[in-house]
Amino acid sequence: DGGITQSPKYLFRKEGQNVTLSCEQNLNHDAMYWYRQDPGQGLRLIYYSQIVNDFQKGDIAEGYSVSREKKESFPLTVTSAQKNPTAFYLCASSYPGDRGNYEQYFGPGTRLTVT
Amino acid sequence: AQKITQTQPGMFVQEKEAVTLDCTYDTSDPSYGLFWYKQPSSGEMIFLIYQGSYDQQNATEGRYSLNFQKARKSANLVISASQLGDSAMYFCAMREGNGFQKLVFGTGTRLLVSP
Repeated sequence: DGGITQSPKYLFRKEGQNVTLSCEQNLNHDAMYWYRQDPGQGLRLIYYSQIVNDFQKGDIAEGYSVSREKKESFPLTVTSAQKNPTAFYLCASSYPGDRGNYEQYFGPGTRLTVT
Repeated sequence: AQKITQTQPGMFVQEKEAVTLDCTYDTSDPSYGLFWYKQPSSGEMIFLIYQGSYDQQNATEGRYSLNFQKARKSANLVISASQLGDSAMYFCAMREGNGFQKLVFGTGTRLLVSP
């Protein structure tokens, strides 16, 4: 079955440590995205990548880094510079689609808790 | 200014009744797309329905329909014959322009379906 996998589902880290969240897709989509969701809020875009070896900052990129070495993979590193890293992180991918709507498909998410 | 506004933090509906979730948007781009996503308590985002700005007819997908009023800049989601499994968060999102563009999400509406 095609889809997006994110692991782990729950992640706990101590303050000051970097942590990398995994995102893998087998949908053959060119574009991939990382979002952050805080309680009671919508999704905010952290980084996105339209193609391998290329990525752009989203609205809240400070304290995060990404890489896109393979089409299937778009890992997100939450660095110690991120002031408030505890949140729910969602990865997504998209393709143009029959109607050019670029519908985004989402993974199950990773809930990161930093103490 | 908010690009996507969802003014209903929570909505209640009885099973088998219809419910409308409100979404207004703000854009000066004549070409845009509007999406609705469902987020159950498990966290994954599920795509429900899409409306393009140039689409002549309101979008429908099974029990979901989109009441698109372009002049009023509203794109309300109508769920007919509500089911208990419809209880979830619902997010409206917009893509401005053609081709690959970022999505901007609203803050969501929590729907609770009672027996």
